[in-house]
Amino acid sequence: AQSVTQLDSHVSVSEGTPVLLRCNYSSSYSPSLFWYVQHPNKGLQLLLKYTSAATLVKGINGFEAEFKKSETSFHLTKPSAHMSDAAEYFCVVSSYSGAGSYQLTFGKGTKLSVIP
Amino acid sequence: ETGVTQSPTHLIKTRGQQVTLRCSSQSGHNTVSWYQQALGQGPQFIFQYYREEENGRGNFPPRFSGLQFPNYSSELNVNALELDDSALYLCASSFSLLRDNTGELFFGEGSRLTVL
Repeated sequence: AQSVTQLDSHVSVSEGTPVLLRCNYSSSYSPSLFWYVQHPNKGLQLLLKYTSAATLVKGINGFEAEFKKSETSFHLTKPSAHMSDAAEYFCVVSSYSGAGSYQLTFGKGTKLSVIP
Repeated sequence: ETGVTQSPTHLIKTRGQQVTLRCSSQSGHNTVSWYQQALGQGPQFIFQYYREEENGRGNFPPRFSGLQFPNYSSELNVNALELDDSALYLCASSFSLLRDNTGELFFGEGSRLTVL
């Protein structure tokens, strides 16, 4: 079974300062990992994904994440926060459940607030 | 390219009633998944449909059922509504997960169900 733990339920940063959203995962085999973002009253948008290629993954809007197998972590970073980054962020692990079916397991989310 | 669309966007039901939520998948996608997102939580996998058959299910009771149509659109039906069914219901589509080993999904904006 797989699981995802997002270590912070709420992170607050000042505009222009770095962002770090932490995620640890548990999976019985090499997982596919994602970060999704959800703005208020909106659906989920994919930020980036790791699929066993390069361990440093670049996504949209300047976000990056590094896959560290030894630490079972997939933390999300951005060098400089923008007001538009304020949203809920979800770390997700994908697992194959047979017959062509994949199941995404979501963390509980981290709400990012950006202070002007 | 048309994204994933869901209807209705908001609805209110009373306990014991039945509800049907609808989803049109993104153009070119043939697999549809449904997720339930309770307030303050991450989305939880309900089930997935491929080629009009359910081929994956999460930990939800049988009163949660679905359909996929030949045009790949889908319905989620919930019978005997309970107060705890109040949530945002998200539909996600993808193309033939048999050929996609990452599990990346494209989400609609959701249907917000309130059960009184």
